[in-house]
Parts: sequence; C-alpha cells; structure tokens
Amino acid sequence: QKEVEQDPGPLSVPEGAIVSLNCTYSNSAFQYFMWYRQYSRKGPELLMYTYSSGNKEDGRFTAQVDKSSKYISLFIRDSQPSDSATYLCAMSGDNDMRFGAGTRLTVKP
Amino acid sequence: GAVVSQHPSWVICKSGTSVKIECRSLDFQATTMFWYRQFPKQSLMLMATSNEGSKATYEQGVEKDKFLINHASLTLSTLTVTSAHPEDSSFYICSARGNGADTQYFGPGTRLTVL
Repeated sequence: QKEVEQDPGPLSVPEGAIVSLNCTYSNSAFQYFMWYRQYSRKGPELLMYTYSSGNKEDGRFTAQVDKSSKYISLFIRDSQPSDSATYLCAMSGDNDMRFGAGTRLTVKP
Repeated sequence: GAVVSQHPSWVICKSGTSVKIECRSLDFQATTMFWYRQFPKQSLMLMATSNEGSKATYEQGVEKDKFLINHASLTLSTLTVTSAHPEDSSFYICSARGNGADTQYFGPGTRLTVL
C-alpha cells in the first residue's frame, strides 16, 4: 500500500462545475497537508496549505482535512478552463514529505 | 515571496556530455533542496535530498555518480547529469524548503533532451 493514494484521473468536467479531488494516506505522522497545481511543462505551484482537521477556504478553493479518516480533499467551485491542470496532494511530518500521483483535471468551456 | 528559479529552462545536448542545472531560492534561505524528475504524464519522482553543506541523500535506484548534486550555499543547489544518455531525457524540477518550514516551493523545471 502506498503511503499516499490519489486517483490519477483523468477527470473532465464542464465549466462552472464543482470539482472534488481527494487523497488518502496511511501514515498518521503526517501533520501538514498541501495541494499543488501543475500546468503542463511547468513546476508545481503551491495552492493550499493546512495543518489541522477542518476546512480552509481561499477564493474558489476549499481544502478539507479529516485526520481521523486520513482523508484530504480539495474542492474547486465555479471551475474555469484555466483550472485545467494536474493537482497533486502532498503531506509532511517528521521531516518527511510525500506526494500523491496527481489528478489530471480538464475543465471544458 | 518563496520564489525558486531554475536555469536553464530547457537544454538539448549530445549523448555523452554533461549538463548542469542550477536551482536558486530567490527570497529565502533554503536549508534543504530536493531534486525530482518527471516523465510525461507521470508524477514527481524524488531523486535526492540535499542539505546545505552536506552530501546529498539519494533515493534508491538513483545513481549518485551520475547525478551529482552540490548544495554549497543556502540559496543555490546544482544538479549535474554526467555522461548523459537519451534515457536521461526528462523534466527535472527542484524544490526548496526553509529552516523549520514544512512546505516545499518548486522551481519552474528544466526540460533536458539528450540526442
């Protein structure tokens, strides 16, 4: 079992849809949770960063962490074609960081 | 803040030559830098972790004599691909983390093509 599981997709949605991206993990030492967005042929860009269970909102993006279930989510509201990218979850703890495989998202106009 | 640059952004070289890629943290001191490679439509693969002033720690299966990493200062790390071969063609991405931080900030990546 991988430490971090993420459905690679691809995921295709119409413009304006709500997108839900998810990761599960097995290592309870993870305390910090991140979502990165990576456009094609570019380096990953930090999108959201959380360290506690619950929700964190930033514009159209909401990161949700459930430590008891070892499950994190990223919600994108009113999705736009410019949101089309690969989204990677990442988590760290005890000086160790692990990435999910990334989910490829396409938002169709 | 937290800007990481890489140079060059792309490079084409002949088989057998060596290529050096630079990674710089522009507005923070990076005590730890990471080097990843990424093949098309695949996720990041961690190659090595380097702490400033120390030898890099390589992931299993990564040849340390082929991928030379130097992290001589708190703002600069270099990756040298020695005697490059076509199978080394890939997208190489560095990231940097400040002292006590939990988040990595990524560079824009370097696309290496070995002919």
